[in-house]
Amino acid sequence: AQSVAQPEDQVNVAEGNPLTVKCTYSVSGNPYLFWYVQYPNRGLQFLLKYITGDNLVKGSYGFEAEFNKSQTSFHLKKPSALVSDSALYFCAVREDTDKLIFGTGTRLQVFP
Amino acid sequence: NAGVTQTPKFQVLKTGQSMTLQCAQDMNHEYMSWYRQDPGMGLRLIHYSVGAGITDQGEVPNGYNVSRSTTEDFPLRLLSAAPSQTSVYFCASSYSRVKVVKLFFGSGTQLSVL
Repeated sequence: AQSVAQPEDQVNVAEGNPLTVKCTYSVSGNPYLFWYVQYPNRGLQFLLKYITGDNLVKGSYGFEAEFNKSQTSFHLKKPSALVSDSALYFCAVREDTDKLIFGTGTRLQVFP
Repeated sequence: NAGVTQTPKFQVLKTGQSMTLQCAQDMNHEYMSWYRQDPGMGLRLIHYSVGAGITDQGEVPNGYNVSRSTTEDFPLRLLSAAPSQTSVYFCASSYSRVKVVKLFFGSGTQLSVL
């Protein structure tokens, strides 16, 4: 079965600093990977996806993710964090063609 | 478009009671799914549907039933609620029934079972 792991429950970063939220994956075959964000009392929102192609994927709100096959990682990054980026971030992998399996989530806290 | 609409937003049940969580989407999406979100466990897939009349089990289907009689609606039924079903439930849909890519989520139903 496919799976993703998010090793950090929480990431703290100062506003203006770069941020990284980590995700590693375990798949058989080609990975299809995703990042979603959840703001308080809201449903999840799609940020970006990796299906194939360039290892650096650009998404919404200035976020990007780097796919690294040798390290089986798909870390979410942003060059300059905003306080408004504070939220819960989920990595996900597609299993078969019709199921998205989510990680446990990482809470990002950006301090002014 | 309203997107994915879930009702109710909050619900308190007693152990053994039954209820239905409603989910409707107005985007003509073929694929619909139900997740539950628990602290430290992320989102776990309960059931999903790739089209009207077709449903399948996800990671944690026990205690839940679903049906898909129309493209728009995908209700989740708890036949006999248990405290272990206390959670936040999210409905999500996607345009394609094949190679699900981008899920659109509802705003969730917070369920407490006493």
